[in-house]
Amino acid sequence: DAGVIQSPRHEVTEMGQEVTLRCKPISGHDYLFWYRQTMMRGLELLIYFNNNVPIDDSGMPEDRFSAKMPNASFSTLKIQPSEPRDSAVYFCASSLDPTGADTQYFGPGTRLTVL
Amino acid sequence: SQKIEQNSEALNIQEGKTATLTCNYTNYSPAYLQWYRQDPGRGPVFLLLIRENEKEKRKERLKVTFDTTLKQSLFHITASQPADSATYLCALVLNAGNMLTFGGGTRLMVKP
Repeated sequence: DAGVIQSPRHEVTEMGQEVTLRCKPISGHDYLFWYRQTMMRGLELLIYFNNNVPIDDSGMPEDRFSAKMPNASFSTLKIQPSEPRDSAVYFCASSLDPTGADTQYFGPGTRLTVL
Repeated sequence: SQKIEQNSEALNIQEGKTATLTCNYTNYSPAYLQWYRQDPGRGPVFLLLIRENEKEKRKERLKVTFDTTLKQSLFHITASQPADSATYLCALVLNAGNMLTFGGGTRLMVKP
């Protein structure tokens, strides 16, 4: 398996533009997670899905952020409009076990820079 | 408030020595605790998981301890190598669901 795939790897955009980050989880994994990592706040969970259904989006910073999972093999995280403070590395992760006793497999991340 | 604390200062050790990293938490009662390794420009990679009823877990040169009374986990790398240089993250898993809450990580530098 190729692991969790994210695209793009790097994104530079200007304030006010829409940004869409993409993720393909590991086949067969029922759980998908979106995280954001910054130096100041570390690695934060934004939202997670179970069987394509959003379960907890309490970590989504504000209404400018939205996430979808239209099918088991694809998810998007959208920021509209983007702001400089959204600059961070965004990770997608997937896992199989719902109890927390299993590892999460992380993608390589998307480094977002908002100018 | 709930906190997970890892030493934010880098840990510098000599090759061959044992590295010990600390993860302290407050106001949590985790069911599991996981340790991840993160290299620059990459996503975290799972290393070890320890359950609340386990005191110690080993995997090759790695050892994790979990003291629920002290609310602390220690992560040891024996016979450290320069290739072990990375940032190490601890993460707690609460009983409610599959959510990981991460500490800030500790950067380990192993010098040859």
